[in-house]
Amino acid sequence: AQSVTQPDIHITVSEGASLELRCNYSYGATPYLFWYVQSPGQGLQLLLKYFSGDTLVQGIKGFEAEFKRSQSSFNLRKPSVHWSDAAEYFCAVDQVLSGGYNKLIFGAGTRLAVHP
Amino acid sequence: GAGVSQSPSNKVTEKGKDVELRCDPISGHTALYWYRQSLGQGLEFLIYFQGNSAPDKSGLPSDRFSAERTGGSVSTLTIQRTQQEDSAVYLCASSLMAGTGDTEAFFGQGTRLTVV
Repeated sequence: AQSVTQPDIHITVSEGASLELRCNYSYGATPYLFWYVQSPGQGLQLLLKYFSGDTLVQGIKGFEAEFKRSQSSFNLRKPSVHWSDAAEYFCAVDQVLSGGYNKLIFGAGTRLAVHP
Repeated sequence: GAGVSQSPSNKVTEKGKDVELRCDPISGHTALYWYRQSLGQGLEFLIYFQGNSAPDKSGLPSDRFSAERTGGSVSTLTIQRTQQEDSAVYLCASSLMAGTGDTEAFFGQGTRLTVV
């Protein structure tokens, strides 16, 4: 079965520092990969997505992610973190199923805290 | 509407009572998903709708949980005889179409259910 692993439950960084959130997936075919962010009390907002092509994808709020097939990874990065980036981040893979539909499989999430 | 709308935003209910959670997807979106997010947990898939039919109910935790969708639009998730372990945030998402794997899911703000 397809799965998504986010090894880091909680990460704390200083404002202005660089950030990398890890995501590993298990999927037999070419994956469709997503990163979502959930701010406190808010719904999920899409940061970026990978479908095909260039393995380095750019998203909103200065985030980027790199798809590495050999490592089954899709790590999220940001060169300089802002205090407003404190939130929970979810990696997801889109599982395409027989019967003509798909559903998102989410990782457990990584909670990011930002120190001033 | 402009986004996925869920109501109520918060619901406190007594153990044993039934509750109904409502999701109004983005107009024209044929795919609709319900997820559950328990405290400190990731997102747990509950059920998927394509139009009015639910080809995947595999995530419903028990027969106390049911969902329907009418007119290819609004969906209600019903929990009968609520238990304390049902306390969670219930998230609804919709997407334009399913089966391609490259469509973005848009999430509502969620309904926070507390069973006391």
